[in-house]
Amino acid sequence: NAGVMQNPRHLVRRRGQEARLRCSPMKGHSHVYWYRQLPEEGLKFMVYLQKENIIDESGMPKERFSAEFPKEGPSILRIQQVVRGDSAAYFCASSPMWPGATSYEQYFGPGTRLTVT
Amino acid sequence: KQEVTQIPAALSVPEGENLVLNCSFTDSAIYNLQWFRQDPGKGLTSLLLIQSSQREQTSGRLNASLDKSSGRSTLYIAASQPGDSATYLCAVGGGTASKLTFGTGTRLQVTL
Repeated sequence: NAGVMQNPRHLVRRRGQEARLRCSPMKGHSHVYWYRQLPEEGLKFMVYLQKENIIDESGMPKERFSAEFPKEGPSILRIQQVVRGDSAAYFCASSPMWPGATSYEQYFGPGTRLTVT
Repeated sequence: KQEVTQIPAALSVPEGENLVLNCSFTDSAIYNLQWFRQDPGKGLTSLLLIQSSQREQTSGRLNASLDKSSGRSTLYIAASQPGDSATYLCAVGGGTASKLTFGTGTRLQVTL
């Protein structure tokens, strides 16, 4: 059972370009979370999604950021018109959801390191 | 708003020592608490998960305890090894399948 997969692992964008980060959850997991780790800071929650639904986006910046988790395919975190302050490591996590699941343990991917030049 | 604090921010110990990492949180209404390890430039590895109804969890040389009423958790590492060197993160979950709130971590170095 492969773990959470994220790609690309490293992404370089110039200011004003778009960044698209992908996350494939663990098999059987239907909850996806995105977190951001700014340089020398802790991890901050951004958004929580289930298939075709955004459940909690309280940590998402109001502009330029969006996320989706379609019925088929990976979850996508999209950043439009990137600025230098968007340079960070973006981590995706997934957790299971089935009848009787109680732990909701989150499993993290290796992250995408975004550098904006 | 939940806030999570980890003390100390950094710790250096000689190989073989037992050590304790501390985590405190401001809102005791948590669902669970996870301890993670993060190596430089890498992702997070889940070490232990404690449900709010539990007092402790053990895995190998690691033991995590939870005192919900006082808003505290500790991670005990026995017989530390150089391979334990990493940043250890504590994170609390506020509800079923909800987001995690992270502390800023304790950077551990185990020296030969």
